[in-house]
Amino acid sequence: DGGITQSPKYLFRKEGQNVTLSCEQNLNHDAMYWYRQDPGQGLRLIYYSQIVNDFQKGDIAEGYSVSREKKESFPLTVTSAQKNPTAFYLCASIGRNQPQHFGDGTRLSIL
Amino acid sequence: QKEVEQNSGPLSVPEGAIASLNCTYSDRVSQSFFWYRQYSGKSPELIMSIYSNGDKEDGRFTAQLNKASQYVSLLIRDSQPSDSATYLCAVSPYNAGNMLTFGGGTRLMVKP
Repeated sequence: DGGITQSPKYLFRKEGQNVTLSCEQNLNHDAMYWYRQDPGQGLRLIYYSQIVNDFQKGDIAEGYSVSREKKESFPLTVTSAQKNPTAFYLCASIGRNQPQHFGDGTRLSIL
Repeated sequence: QKEVEQNSGPLSVPEGAIASLNCTYSDRVSQSFFWYRQYSGKSPELIMSIYSNGDKEDGRFTAQLNKASQYVSLLIRDSQPSDSATYLCAVSPYNAGNMLTFGGGTRLMVKP
């Protein structure tokens, strides 16, 4: 089945550790997005990529990094520079002239 | 700074009533508008999109857009307890779903 797969579903980060969240899509979509959602709030854009080997910072990119080496994959690394990483992370992709659809999300917490 | 504003709620309606959810946006060049439903602990699910002024109906859902007033709303008729969720309004400057700005969401509670 076509869709967006995020893994893991839950992730715990230790102090000073970098962690990587996976996002894979088999929809042949060009554009992919990463959002952060804090409790009771809307989604804020971290990074986005419109095409392979290119990505742009969103509104809250500090402390995060991404890569887009393959069309299907857009992993997000939460670095140790992100001092408040506890949140729900959502990956989305979009095809031409279509709305965004989301993966199931990864919930990141600090140990 | 592009802003999308929603009343955080909770909006409480009895089962069978009409729920009315509202959203205002600041960017006048916005072209496309979306409503997502998000159950607690889950990811957002697209339920409606609207691109031109007026009403768009899909089953029990009606989206209403007024670009002059920079206002978009979602009506849910015959509300069911299963409609209890947070509803997120999202706006794009493009004629598609790219570069969305999200509101903070309105929590809807439908009481049996």
